[in-house]
Amino acid sequence: AQSVTQLDSHVSVSEGTPVLLRCNYSSSYSPSLFWYVQHPNKGLQLLLKYTSAATLVKGINGFEAEFKKSETSFHLTKPSAHMSDAAEYFCVVSEHPAGGTSYGKLTFGQGTILTVHP
Amino acid sequence: GAGVSQTPSNKVTEKGKYVELRCDPISGHTALYWYRQSLGQGPEFLIYFQGTGAADDSGLPNDRFFAVRPEGSVSTLKIQRTERGDSAVYLCASRAANNEQFFGPGTRLTVL
Repeated sequence: AQSVTQLDSHVSVSEGTPVLLRCNYSSSYSPSLFWYVQHPNKGLQLLLKYTSAATLVKGINGFEAEFKKSETSFHLTKPSAHMSDAAEYFCVVSEHPAGGTSYGKLTFGQGTILTVHP
Repeated sequence: GAGVSQTPSNKVTEKGKYVELRCDPISGHTALYWYRQSLGQGPEFLIYFQGTGAADDSGLPNDRFFAVRPEGSVSTLKIQRTERGDSAVYLCASRAANNEQFFGPGTRLTVL
């Protein structure tokens, strides 16, 4: 079984300061991990994904995340927040059972709402 | 190119009524998923289609929910005898060859 825990329901930062959104996952198999962003009244957009290649993954809009198997974490970071980053962020896991067909069922975390103050 | 589209964008219905929600995936995507996002929650998996068949419907909450994809493209999620607890945003996604899922804008269902 797979699950995701986002450790903060709300994060508030000032524009120009670093962003850290925390995520821990649980998976019985080799997981793929994703971060999606959802702006108000907009659809979900993929920020970045980890699929067993490089553990440091770079995404769109300056975001990156590091896969740490020993800590079962996949935290999202950005060096300098912009007002347009204000949105809800979801950490997502998808399992790949050995010998089975990976069909990509996504399990979402509860979401972290990021607020950016001027 | 066109993304995933969902109709209607909003649906208001009365308790006990039947509703259909439609999803048009990206052309050529054989895998299609339905998710449900309740207020303040992350999306939850409902059902997965590979082609015309439902490969995994383990997320459907009960037998009032049913989905079809008769020609392997458009899918319809059907909810019978709607209840207030069914109110949510219903999301559809289709999957590209690189396994990225592209989401539609969702249908906001409100059951009065």
